[in-house]
Formats: sequence, structure tokens, C-alpha cells
Amino acid sequence: AQKITQTQPGMFVQEKEAVTLDCTYDTSDQSYGLFWYKQPSSGEMIFLIYQGSYDEQNATEGRYSLNFQKARKSANLVISASQLGDSAMYFCAMREDLIIQGAQKLVFGQGTRLTINP
Amino acid sequence: ETGVTQTPRHLVMGMTNKKSLKCEQHLGHNAMYWYKQSAKKPLELMFVYSLEERVENNSVPSRFSPECPNSSHLFLHLHTLQPEDSALYLCASSQEVISRQSRNGYTFGSGTRLTVV
Repeated sequence: AQKITQTQPGMFVQEKEAVTLDCTYDTSDQSYGLFWYKQPSSGEMIFLIYQGSYDEQNATEGRYSLNFQKARKSANLVISASQLGDSAMYFCAMREDLIIQGAQKLVFGQGTRLTINP
Repeated sequence: ETGVTQTPRHLVMGMTNKKSLKCEQHLGHNAMYWYKQSAKKPLELMFVYSLEERVENNSVPSRFSPECPNSSHLFLHLHTLQPEDSALYLCASSQEVISRQSRNGYTFGSGTRLTVV
């Protein structure tokens, strides 16, 4: 079974600094997808960025980028120029399996709580 | 607003009560999911529905009973819960995925924060 590990329970960063949130994964599959989600205190999980295992380029979405190192099985999220609104829980997830009829199973890490200080 | 709406946002219930959580998606997705998020634990997949058919049930106690009357609505019926069932219950939906490389993941609702007293 796949497994996602996020080793940083909490991170504290000064506003406008860049921050890297770590994620390592364990899979024997060659084809897989990796996701990052943000969860503010309101509870909603917000999709941030996706990386496919066959993608040759690291994914980028605005201030978010993914440092994908396939051989190391790591998919770290980089947030540039952090803002106060970036304070939230961040979850790394992997598509563990495709289920019949087009459904899918994502497995999540335990999350990292990011706090941006003014 | 993500297109996935969960009600109620907060629920306090006694151990002998019966209540239901509702999830509605307006995205035209064909699969819907219930996840449980407890403090200091990873999200736990509870149930998966695709095209209104239950396709996954992760050994969830029978005091949780899902229902999917159509592709836009998903319910989680609760009865005789325990205090350890207190958690954030998240509903998600997704488009049909036919490739492991698909960038289409889940779209989540805001969750229902359940407290069992």
C-alpha cells in the first residue's frame, strides 16, 4: 500500500520568505499522481498543485511550485513570497488506486501546519 | 465556493441520537466520497460512490450508513455514535478518472464538524 510522509508537524516562517514543505512517498508503481491541498481553519480542503510521475517538468501554479525528485520519492511544495493568508494546514496526497467506474482513491499525509508571522 | 456544499457545518449530537450529514455537488462529477478527519491522524477514506453505486467501504462501523440517491447528492446517516466519532467529516467529488496520470483529483466541501456528547 502507498504511504505519504510529512515529517514537519509545524513550520513558522516570516512573511515574504519562501517556505518548503516536505513530502515523501512510498510506491512500487511507475505511474502515479501527487497532489497538494491547503486546509485553512474553516476546514475546506483547497487543491493547490498536481504532479504526474511522467511529467518531465516540475509543476508550478502561481506562487506554488513542486520540487519533484522521483528517484528520492519526494514531492516538496515550495511557496514563494509567503503571505499571512498562507497560514493553514497543508496536505500531500497520492492517487493510490483507480477504482471501478472512474472513481479514485487518494491517500493523505498527516499534514504540516504552516504559520506565517508578520 | 468549491461547488461541493456540506450541511450542517457543525453538529452536536448525543450518543442515542440519529442525524444525517448532507453533501451536494454542482460540478457534474460522477464519484463522491466521505472522509473522516480526526485530530493528529491522516484523513481516513470511509466510503466511495461512483454513478450512485457504492464501490468502496473501508471497514467502517455500521453506525455510519451512507446513501447516494443520485450523482449530485450524498448522505451519511449517523446513529448511536461514540465520543471517538467526533471529527471533521469531509465530502469530496471527482470527475471520471481513467488514467493514473490524470490531474483531476478531489474537490472537497467545507466539512461538517461533528461532536458526540
